[in-house]
This record gives sequence, C-alpha cells and structure tokens, in this order.
Amino acid sequence: GQQLNQSPQSMFIQEGEDVSMNCTSSSIFNTWLWYKQDPGEGPVLLIALYKAGELTSNGRLTAQFGITRKDSFLNISASIPSDVGIYFCAGRAGNTGKLIFGQGTTLQVKP
Amino acid sequence: DAGVTQSPTHLIKTRGQQVTLRCSPISGHKSVSWYQQVLGQGPQFIFQYYEKEERGRGNFPDRFSARQFPNYSSELNVNALLLGDSALYLCASSFRGPGDTQYFGPGTRLTVL
Repeated sequence: GQQLNQSPQSMFIQEGEDVSMNCTSSSIFNTWLWYKQDPGEGPVLLIALYKAGELTSNGRLTAQFGITRKDSFLNISASIPSDVGIYFCAGRAGNTGKLIFGQGTTLQVKP
Repeated sequence: DAGVTQSPTHLIKTRGQQVTLRCSPISGHKSVSWYQQVLGQGPQFIFQYYEKEERGRGNFPDRFSARQFPNYSSELNVNALLLGDSALYLCASSFRGPGDTQYFGPGTRLTVL
C-alpha cells in the first residue's frame, strides 16, 4: 500500500539529547499529523498541522508543515525515557478520511 | 471521557474462517475509520464511515466489509481469512466529517493460523 517516506527508521539516543525526524511525500497533502505508538497500543495524536508553513508546539515537541506541502518534520527537545516508542507521520489529501502513514521511526532513549 | 474502544483485544482464527471486529467511537463522534497495521509498518486505510454511509475505501479485497450502526459504532468483517490478514486492526473516530482529526483505539490483534 501507499506509504510516506519517513526517516530515520530508528534512533538510539542519550537522555537529554534533541531528536529530529522527517517525512516526505511525492503528493501534496493539506493535513499533516504526527502520532506516537507504544507496543500493543493504538497511535496517539501528538500534533496536527493544517497549513503550509505552520509551526506548532506541544510541550517539548515541535512540528512543521513544509512549504511545498510535501513534507513535515518533528523535533523532540531534551528527550526523556518516556519518549521511547514508534513515531508515525500521516498525511491527508483533500477532505477525505484516508490517512497515509509513514513506516515509523523507532526511538530508544538511554538514561 | 472514554476513548475509542475495540473488542475483542486479541483473536486467533484459522485460514478460511470469518471474523467480526467491533468498535465504539468517542461519545459524540460520528465518523469511524478502520486501518490494518502489519507488524513493522504504518497503518493502512481500509474504510471510513460517516453518518452510517461509506465515505472511503482503501485498496483491500472484497473479503473486507464494514458497516456503521445508528449509535455510530461499527463492525469490520473479514471473510475467508488468509495468513496475511494477521495484523493489528485499528479503529479511529472523528467528531465531524471525514476530514476531521482521527483518534485511535487500542486495536484488535488478529492472528490467522
């Protein structure tokens, strides 16, 4: 099925470090979303972006909707052990309910 | 407020069998979407229902079907199960129409032997 190109695939970092991950698409989206998924759970919404160029923060998390509408990034500052999990980007074109997801970035944080 | 709930939590079936998965949206939400998540991948869109009507369908065979009830809960049915149908099936609800933000439930883990 169709998926976005999300990178990096995995990251292993030290507690306190900043993290950056991004997502690119060959198609234009009008919504970008970032979710976090813990093992055995469903994805939890972190940040939603609705306008090209939009920069939105949620605590230590910051995400941006790329100007070209084909990319987005997520930054996590001062990582802590509970940031461990899989982070997914998702995009939506038009006003449909169909979300297209990236392959995920697995984040591990060493205390 | 309760989030999206799904049942059962886990399910084991054999090839050729049929399965029904259930989803209750967040109270007040009128739209339900279904996704399949194979291990190691992101979720793949299967269906969306809004106000009891199908509003979107992903690239899945006709063995997959769904419906939404007057109370906005939903069922996903899969017939003639294949080994490749083993996955986490996620339900997401949204308040307004198809383009509204989706909130996911914990999923149903289906294993096909």
